[in-house]
Amino acid sequence: QKEVEQNSGPLSVPEGAIASLNCTYSDRVSQSFFWYRQYSGKSPELIMSIYSNGDKEDGRFTAQLNKASQYVSLLIRDSQPSDSATYLCAAGDYSGGGADGLTFGKGTHLIIQP
Amino acid sequence: KAGVTQTPRYLIKTRGQQVTLSCSPISGHRSVSWYQQTPGQGLQFLFEYFSETQRNKGNFPGRFSGRQFSNSRSEMNVSTLELGDSALYLCASSVTTPSELYEQYFGPGTRLTVT
Repeated sequence: QKEVEQNSGPLSVPEGAIASLNCTYSDRVSQSFFWYRQYSGKSPELIMSIYSNGDKEDGRFTAQLNKASQYVSLLIRDSQPSDSATYLCAAGDYSGGGADGLTFGKGTHLIIQP
Repeated sequence: KAGVTQTPRYLIKTRGQQVTLSCSPISGHRSVSWYQQTPGQGLQFLFEYFSETQRNKGNFPGRFSGRQFSNSRSEMNVSTLELGDSALYLCASSVTTPSELYEQYFGPGTRLTVT
């Protein structure tokens, strides 16, 4: 059973600070990792993908992957009230016959306090 | 480029009925995946279609089925609806080849309520 674990929160961060979101995954064959942002009543929006160990930066967002520890994180710099949302971590793998569906964590609810 | 579209956006059905949901992927995307999202279980994978073939299926009963057309549009069907089928049904499309790892882009979803 593939699992992705996230702290449900809420995680409260002051405006302008760094928000740090974490997740762990159970399946060692997972090769692709994604962070989605979901506002209440909306569908998930892809914000970062990462496939290799290390850091990947895109604007205010940095994704970090450590396959040895089966750990993925997302850092949001200069947090804004508009970043308040639920952040979903997802893991996927390629099984040869086609990419499997993504396994999602249940999400971390992030609140940016003005 | 237009995003993923799903119809209808909202649906109310009675237990025992069946329902068909539709999804049009982003132009050029040939892979379509379906997910169910509920407050208790979160986002769960239903199935994935590529070139009109179901490549993978999640752990859902046979009442849940789908298909993909030659233009990559996809439909999913739920027969004999149960109260527990009330959920947000999300379609996601991606560019994928057999050797690529892929990013999935979600549509707005169809909110299904079973009474």
